[in-house]
Amino acid sequence: DVKVTQSSRYLVKRTGEKVFLECVQDMDHENMFWYRQDPGLGLRLIYFSYDVKMKEKGDIPEGYSVSREKKERFSLILESASTNQTSMYLCASSKLQGAPDTQYFGPGTRLTVL
Amino acid sequence: RKEVEQDPGPFNVPEGATVAFNCTYSNSASQSFFWYRQDCRKEPKLLMSVYSSGNEDGRFTAQLNRASQYISLLIRDSKLSDSATYLCVVNGGGSYIPTFGRGTSLIVHP
Repeated sequence: DVKVTQSSRYLVKRTGEKVFLECVQDMDHENMFWYRQDPGLGLRLIYFSYDVKMKEKGDIPEGYSVSREKKERFSLILESASTNQTSMYLCASSKLQGAPDTQYFGPGTRLTVL
Repeated sequence: RKEVEQDPGPFNVPEGATVAFNCTYSNSASQSFFWYRQDCRKEPKLLMSVYSSGNEDGRFTAQLNRASQYISLLIRDSKLSDSATYLCVVNGGGSYIPTFGRGTSLIVHP
């Protein structure tokens, strides 16, 4: 079974703090994704990566950056957290590089920024 | 990437009922289609893929209508445990990045 893990289930941070969210997948998947999910807005893509050290902006990259130094790990960074970044953050991975494929999600990190 | 639209519901049905959801997509070049299920405060999980010939898995049937650009999900003999949000996902058409619908909420009551 594919396993996608995220570093924290719940996180509370203060405005202006730098926040790191980590995601690890154990099935040698090529693609990794970061989404945020908010009530009424559904899943929105922040960034994705199709290879080590490669990254592409999604629909809402502002205020976020990412890092993929190893194939299995994809980090989301909030350089200076703001209250409007309070959300559920979901990481996902899929196997086939550059091709449509099933996504496997981590359990999510519920981030609250005070 | 173009839009994927779903009726948010909620669909409120009694146990044993048959319920159907539709999802429309705007990119006619889309190539692959999925239904995901998301339980409250949990991550989405793949429910089933949608093939051109349709796909059936027990009480669940998914169909694709390319001419009208929609996919459907039919749930027969609804169970309480079917209560969840069902997400429609469309891939392809020049991008391998999936496009998610906002989901349809289903509540099955006794």
